[in-house]
Amino acid sequence: KQEVTQIPAALSVPEGENLVLNCSFTDSAIYNLQWFRQDPGKGLTSLLLIQSSQREQTSGRLNASLDKSSGRSTLYIAASQPGDSATYLCAASGSARQLTFGSGTQLTVLP
Amino acid sequence: DTEVTQTPKHLVMGMTNKKSLKCEQHMGHRAMYWYKQKAKKPPELMFVYSYEKLSINESVPSRFSPECPNSSLLNLHLHALQPEDSALYLCASSQGELAETQYFGPGTRLLVL
Repeated sequence: KQEVTQIPAALSVPEGENLVLNCSFTDSAIYNLQWFRQDPGKGLTSLLLIQSSQREQTSGRLNASLDKSSGRSTLYIAASQPGDSATYLCAASGSARQLTFGSGTQLTVLP
Repeated sequence: DTEVTQTPKHLVMGMTNKKSLKCEQHMGHRAMYWYKQKAKKPPELMFVYSYEKLSINESVPSRFSPECPNSSLLNLHLHALQPEDSALYLCASSQGELAETQYFGPGTRLLVL
């Protein structure tokens, strides 16, 4: 059974810092890995999806990487802003045809 | 249009009530999902519909009854719920089931008294 872990559970940084969020998964037989953002009490917003054949994806200040062999993905946020404050969730899509979510990293960017 | 809409936004119901949650998408997606999310926990998959047919039921109690009347609409019928069923219920859709970005709605916040 796939297990997804995100470290750290919470992170607080000053505005302007570059930061990395980590995601690890136990079963490397994944179809893709997605990163989502969730604001308090809201739904999930898809940020990036990396197919199993890809190594990274970029969108604006966000860059996500995938290393299937080590069971790891990272989300890099450049020049963080207070508006980036949210919970970031990674989710792996595997042979069970469903997303397995990590518990998330709660990010606070201080002005 | 990459929007998934959900109604109502909030719902309070007693344990003897019957209510329904509604989800709609007009992106032509053929897979739709219901998730349950408790506070400070990740979403947990409940049901998956693929081409309007139920393809995954994650051992959800029968007091939750999904329905997919057409390719754009997904309902979740609620009956005789328990207080522990209080949660945020999220709907999502994707082009297909596998290797596709899932788009989530804003959720329905459910409180069972």
